[in-house]
Amino acid sequence: DGGITQSPKYLFRKEGQNVTLSCEQNLNHDAMYWYRQDPGQGLRLIYYSQIVNDFQKGDIAEGYSVSREKKESFPLTVTSAQKNPTAFYLCASSPAGFTDTQYFGPGTRLTVL
Amino acid sequence: DAKTTQPTSMDCAEGRAANLPCNHSTISGNEYVYWYRQIHSQGPQYIIHGLKNNETNEMASLIITEDRKSSTLILPHATLRDTAVYYCIVRGYAGGTSYGKLTFGQGTILTVHP
Repeated sequence: DGGITQSPKYLFRKEGQNVTLSCEQNLNHDAMYWYRQDPGQGLRLIYYSQIVNDFQKGDIAEGYSVSREKKESFPLTVTSAQKNPTAFYLCASSPAGFTDTQYFGPGTRLTVL
Repeated sequence: DAKTTQPTSMDCAEGRAANLPCNHSTISGNEYVYWYRQIHSQGPQYIIHGLKNNETNEMASLIITEDRKSSTLILPHATLRDTAVYYCIVRGYAGGTSYGKLTFGQGTILTVHP
């Protein structure tokens, strides 16, 4: 089945450690996105990528980094510089760029202890 | 992007139609209306979108008023699995450096009862 996978579903890390969240899609979509959701709040865009080897900062990129070496994969690293990393992280993709419909993965809940 | 206003919560009996309203009085001519829903602890699910004509797919129907200032999402036969937060989003593409960002508001909590 085609879709977006994120792993793991739950992730725990100690404060000060970097952690990488996985996002893979087999939909052959060009664009991919990372959002963050905090309790009772809407989604905030962290990074996005329209094509391989290119990505742009979203609204809250500080403390995060990404790479886009393959079309199918868009991993997100939460660094120790991110002051409030505990959140629900959502990856999305769209077929042919930013104006297309975005489809979301199941999300990863990160808890930093 | 235009701001949307939705009721905080709604109830619906299982098997009945659920009609979820959304006001977007400041929408401009090139802005689409999108609907997503999010079940607790899951990623948002795309439902439907439209510009000015009514739209229907296997999940729902979208009715947009002629002046485009409001719309209604219709789930024709609600089931318990339709209990979720439903988000109405207005999304534009005109010029600038729009990168397709989705702006989710508070949404409507729809509870489907047996």
